[in-house]
Amino acid sequence: DAGVTQSPTHLIKTRGQHVTLRCSPISGHKSVSWYQQVLGQGPQFIFQYYEKEERGRGNFPDRFSARQFPNYSSELNVNALLLGDSALYLCASRDDSGVSNYGYTFGSGTRLTVV
Amino acid sequence: AQKITQTQPGMFVQEKEAVTLDCTYDTSDQSYGLFWYKQPSSGEMIFLIYQGSYDEQNATEGRYSLNFQKARKSANLVISASQLGDSAMYFCAMREGYNFNKFYFGSGTKLNVKP
Repeated sequence: DAGVTQSPTHLIKTRGQHVTLRCSPISGHKSVSWYQQVLGQGPQFIFQYYEKEERGRGNFPDRFSARQFPNYSSELNVNALLLGDSALYLCASRDDSGVSNYGYTFGSGTRLTVV
Repeated sequence: AQKITQTQPGMFVQEKEAVTLDCTYDTSDQSYGLFWYKQPSSGEMIFLIYQGSYDEQNATEGRYSLNFQKARKSANLVISASQLGDSAMYFCAMREGYNFNKFYFGSGTKLNVKP
């Protein structure tokens, strides 16, 4: 079975540009979350989506937005990129069928470099 | 205040020996979950082990065990019989309540296993 897949794997953008990152969850997983991991730090929660609705948002500016599609895949959009947005962006999916002792299954991430 | 604190930025262990990675947490919720993830250089976060706040027994998964001391709010990971492939970043994480939009990571510990 395919795991969580993210695209692209690497990306270089210029300050001020816009970027879209994509995530396909594990088949059957309806919950998708996005995390930003700056070099040398732990992941920071950005968004959680469940059944196409936003269920949670971390402490990130409005330049960050996301959406979830009917097939449960998701996009993370970042506008007006800053140098500080350079990070590994991780997508994670989870089976919310009621088993709470499982965490997320993560993808390998998109490494974004803003120059 | 930090929700998850990992005080060991880096650790060395000899192959085949055991190692303990420290984690303390801060929450006022009675229901919470504690997780450990491994992140190799590829970037993917790999789920290792889970401990629920109401679990009386320490969790074990193969060579991984979680030393859960609720009164001290600590959830240390013990890796027995270290292998070279265990060299990676290790993150402790906590889910507050049953909301996966309240999922916090520590800053991680870099483990190096020496041959």
